[in-house]
Amino acid sequence: DGGITQSPKYLFRKEGQNVTLSCEQNLNHDAMYWYRQDPGQGLRLIYYSQIVNDFQKGDIAEGYSVSREKKESFPLTVTSAQKNPTAFYLCASSTPAGTGRSEQYFGPGTRLTVT
Amino acid sequence: DAKTTQPTSMDCAEGRAANLPCNHSTISGNEYVYWYRQIHSQGPQYIIHGLKNNETNEMASLIITEDRKSSTLILPHATLRDTAVYYCIVRKYNFGNEKLTFGTGTRLTIIP
Repeated sequence: DGGITQSPKYLFRKEGQNVTLSCEQNLNHDAMYWYRQDPGQGLRLIYYSQIVNDFQKGDIAEGYSVSREKKESFPLTVTSAQKNPTAFYLCASSTPAGTGRSEQYFGPGTRLTVT
Repeated sequence: DAKTTQPTSMDCAEGRAANLPCNHSTISGNEYVYWYRQIHSQGPQYIIHGLKNNETNEMASLIITEDRKSSTLILPHATLRDTAVYYCIVRKYNFGNEKLTFGTGTRLTIIP
């Protein structure tokens, strides 16, 4: 089945530790995104990547880092510099605009709890 | 991207049409209207999008006013599985600017 996978679904970490969230897609999409969602809030964009080996900061990139070494993968690292890392993290992918359909497809999310 | 305004919550009886309004009075000529929904603790799901004309697909219909300052998402025969938060998003359709700006959306509850 084509889609986006995120693992794990639930993740627990101690404060001060870096943690990497996985996002893999087999939709052959060029663009990938990371969003953060806090309870009762909408999604906020952390980072996005239009092509391999290139990525851009979103609205709330501080305390996060990403890499895009392969088209299929866009891992997000939540560093110890992120002051409030506990949140629901969503990964998405899309074809580039201009191809006719550019809606974003979302993964199931990873719920990160830092104590 | 233009901002959108949606009601915080709505109820709809099962089997009836659910009509979700969205105001986007500052929309510009090259901005599209997108609708997504998010069922509790899942990733958002694309529903439909449009520019000027009304659109229909297997999930819903999108009605955009002639001045494009508002739109309505219609779920023709709502089921309990349609209970979700619905997001109306306006964004430009140009390469290199794929950002979606999500507000807090409308929490739609389908009543049995």
